Amino acid sequence: GNSVTQMEGPVTLSEEAFLTINCTYTATGYPSLFWYVQYPGEGLQLLLKATKADDKGSNKGFEATYRKETTSFHLEKGSVQVSDSAVYFCALGSGGSNYKLTFGKGTLLTVNP
Amino acid sequence: DGGITQSPKYLFRKEGQNVTLSCEQNLNHDAMYWYRQDPGQGLRLIYYSQIVNDFQKGDIAEGYSVSREKKESFPLTVTSAQKNPTAFYLCASSIVTDNQPQHFGDGTRLSIL
Repeated sequence: GNSVTQMEGPVTLSEEAFLTINCTYTATGYPSLFWYVQYPGEGLQLLLKATKADDKGSNKGFEATYRKETTSFHLEKGSVQVSDSAVYFCALGSGGSNYKLTFGKGTLLTVNP
Repeated sequence: DGGITQSPKYLFRKEGQNVTLSCEQNLNHDAMYWYRQDPGQGLRLIYYSQIVNDFQKGDIAEGYSVSREKKESFPLTVTSAQKNPTAFYLCASSIVTDNQPQHFGDGTRLSIL
């Protein structure tokens, strides 16, 4: 079956530091990949997505590249801000007759001023 | 603005009581989903529906029930058979097409009195 593995948190960084959150997946076929962000007490918001190999999703300074050869979709940001503090979820969509998403366990990021 | 509305934001249940969580969307999405979120466990799928009057069990359906009488609405009932209902519940919706992300509501936090 499908699965998503994220690096365990929490991750604590200083403002303007470089961020990487690792995500690897197992899936059959050609899944779509997503990163979601969850701020305290809120639902999930789509941050970025990629639908095929070598696609790069980007939004608000965050980037992730769909690497089929390494089955990875690592999230990166060059300079984090305090407002980026949140939980980040990597997710996989297998499509076809099944539109469900498979989520990783989430990574808590705290950015200190 | 289109979106997903979950109510109430906070809900308390007494032992042996059924409670119903509301989820309404005005995005004209065919598919709707219910997830349960516990600390450190990511999101787990309870039920999903891809069309009115049809729904499928997810990974943790025991102790829960749903209905889908209207496209816009997908209420979740937490029954007394669910022995550990304290959690954050998230509703989502999506277009029923490959590669489409899910859109989330702001969640309902259920606690036991």
